[in-house]
Amino acid sequence: GIQVEQSPPDLILQEGANSTLRCNFSDSVNNLQWFHQNPWGQLINLFYIPSGTKQNGRLSATTVATERYSLLYISSSQTTDSGVYFCAVGNQFYFGTGTSLTVIP
Amino acid sequence: DVKVTQSSRYLVKRTGEKVFLECVQDMDHENMFWYRQDPGLGLRLIYFSYDVKMKEKGDIPEGYSVSREKKERFSLILESASTNQTSMYLCASSFLAGEVEETQYFGPGTRLLVL
Repeated sequence: GIQVEQSPPDLILQEGANSTLRCNFSDSVNNLQWFHQNPWGQLINLFYIPSGTKQNGRLSATTVATERYSLLYISSSQTTDSGVYFCAVGNQFYFGTGTSLTVIP
Repeated sequence: DVKVTQSSRYLVKRTGEKVFLECVQDMDHENMFWYRQDPGLGLRLIYFSYDVKMKEKGDIPEGYSVSREKKERFSLILESASTNQTSMYLCASSFLAGEVEETQYFGPGTRLLVL
């Protein structure tokens, strides 16, 4: 299957800071998603972004399919952004191991 | 809003028991998926289905089977539960690839403890 690597594995931020999360994948894909898993375990889809750039409020994502990576940007972070961020790629939606984000007040 | 529901949030079973986990979606999605999530390993695909009565193995199908008799319902079966199947189980659904995005929607998860 496709290998998916996410970095960094852990991130601690002060409220108001910006961050960039990265997702590298080992093969060409025609779909890619970013998810946020909240402290109660619920996974929420943030972006469906096989290529290009999308923005939703303080969050944006960019996928460069030809170079096999995607970036998730979080600006002006809030404590509610805490949780684990996953990317998932490919027809079978292979998941990375996630980036655990903690935002401190 | 898309809704994906799972039959239980928490489940405790004994080794050797047959365990049924049910997932229901209300968006007429073709695709349905079962994952398990373990600390440090992310989500791993167990099985997925792209149509009624159709199933495909994921990365870790051993010890599991699935059933999809109706479009909205996808069941995961542990034929004889073992302690190494203690995990969080997550169900998801999505449209089939085509003109619409294959955005996955997840249920709340079932935490299974096998004693």
